[in-house]
Amino acid sequence: AQSVTQLDSHVSVSEGTPVLLRCNYSSSYSPSLFWYVQHPNKGLQLLLKYTSAATLVKGINGFEAEFKKSETSFHLTKPSAHMSDAAEYFCVVTDRGYNQGGKLIFGQGTELSVKP
Amino acid sequence: EPEVTQTPSHQVTQMGQEVILRCVPISNHLYFYWYRQILGQKVEFLVSFYNNEISEKSEIFDDQFSVERPDGSNFTLKIRSTKLEDSAMYFCASRGQFSGEQYFGPGTRLTVT
Repeated sequence: AQSVTQLDSHVSVSEGTPVLLRCNYSSSYSPSLFWYVQHPNKGLQLLLKYTSAATLVKGINGFEAEFKKSETSFHLTKPSAHMSDAAEYFCVVTDRGYNQGGKLIFGQGTELSVKP
Repeated sequence: EPEVTQTPSHQVTQMGQEVILRCVPISNHLYFYWYRQILGQKVEFLVSFYNNEISEKSEIFDDQFSVERPDGSNFTLKIRSTKLEDSAMYFCASRGQFSGEQYFGPGTRLTVT
């Protein structure tokens, strides 16, 4: 069965410093992986997706993630944090192929705080 | 930019009452989903819906739950007799035919007292 584990429940960084949010996945086949972000009182917004093309995936707002099969990881990074990045981030895997309409399986979430 | 909308944003109900949560998916999407997030827990899948029928449902989605697409725009989740443990944020999502991304609404916070 597919699953994801987010290794940190809370990450705090200073504005202008790099962001690293860690995610490990478990999948019985080549997975489709996503990062979603949830700002307070807002819906879940897709940041980026990996669908077995390029292993380095670029998303919105300067975020990117690298799929590493050998490490079963899909960590989210950003070179320089902005105050507006403060939110909850979810690593997500589908339970089947990308276009097959499967359900999304969420990690526990990582709350990112950005200090001025 | 098209978006998924949900109403109400917050619903308070008494235990045993019926509630209907409403969603308007993105207009050309064909696949619809409900998820929920109990406070402090993971977002978890409830049900998927395609071509006017349920495609898949989780163990949580028991006989107390039902979904419907009553017209060409709305997608609803009904809970017939709410329990305290149904208190959660409920998210609706939709997906286009040739895309794997699911687009989420802002959620409805359901509080059962």
